[in-house]
Amino acid sequence: EVQLVESGGGLVQPGGSLRLSCAASGFTVSSHYMSWVRQAPGKGLEWVSVIYSGGSTYYADSVKGRFTISRDNSKNTLYLQMNSLRAEDTAVYYCARDGGAIGDSSGWLFDYWGQGTLVTVSS
Amino acid sequence: QSVLTQPPSVSGAPGQRVTISCTGSSSNIGAGYDVHWYQQLPGTAPKLLIYGNSNRPSGVPDRFSGSKSDTSGSLAITGLQAEDEADYYCQSYDSSLSGYVFGTGTKVTVL
Repeated sequence: EVQLVESGGGLVQPGGSLRLSCAASGFTVSSHYMSWVRQAPGKGLEWVSVIYSGGSTYYADSVKGRFTISRDNSKNTLYLQMNSLRAEDTAVYYCARDGGAIGDSSGWLFDYWGQGTLVTVSS
Repeated sequence: QSVLTQPPSVSGAPGQRVTISCTGSSSNIGAGYDVHWYQQLPGTAPKLLIYGNSNRPSGVPDRFSGSKSDTSGSLAITGLQAEDEADYYCQSYDSSLSGYVFGTGTKVTVL
């Protein structure tokens, strides 16, 4: 059974740092595109970052230069290092797996999601 | 800053049919990237509802259907039920942003 479990959220002051983890089971993280998606309180979903199976990484403009996505293949775990945090980064952060090409779909979809971890940036 | 546009809310009585539109552009849906739909119940993570424009994952009732045309996608819910009350998001990929994009989200209310 595929499972994604996030951890590492909490309260941090503006300008501070936090590292989120997403422990995966039931599949191999390095074989899939893995993303972080966030949702500010009462707001919609916002894609944050992706790491491809080949290791390439991409970021939303809102976090570029401040956030770093990575993975530890030995631990089958995805990470998000967040630096220079701002109030507008306050959100529930989800890790999500790209299911790839399924049937006649070309992919770029999220077939499994974690339960989310809340990050609050406030003084 | 969502790239895909959805109506903020739609509503219907039990048993009725409602539709949700998702309007994109030439760099995402119009470029040939598929439209996917997610259902988010209050306090829970999003759940994949429709993938590849019109396909349902195992376990999703056939009351839910999707379609795509040009730069837009659409989700239809027929035979609306109280348990369908949730937020719905469309999603695609954008080649100019080199990233995934979501719709603004639509709240479905069952009257």
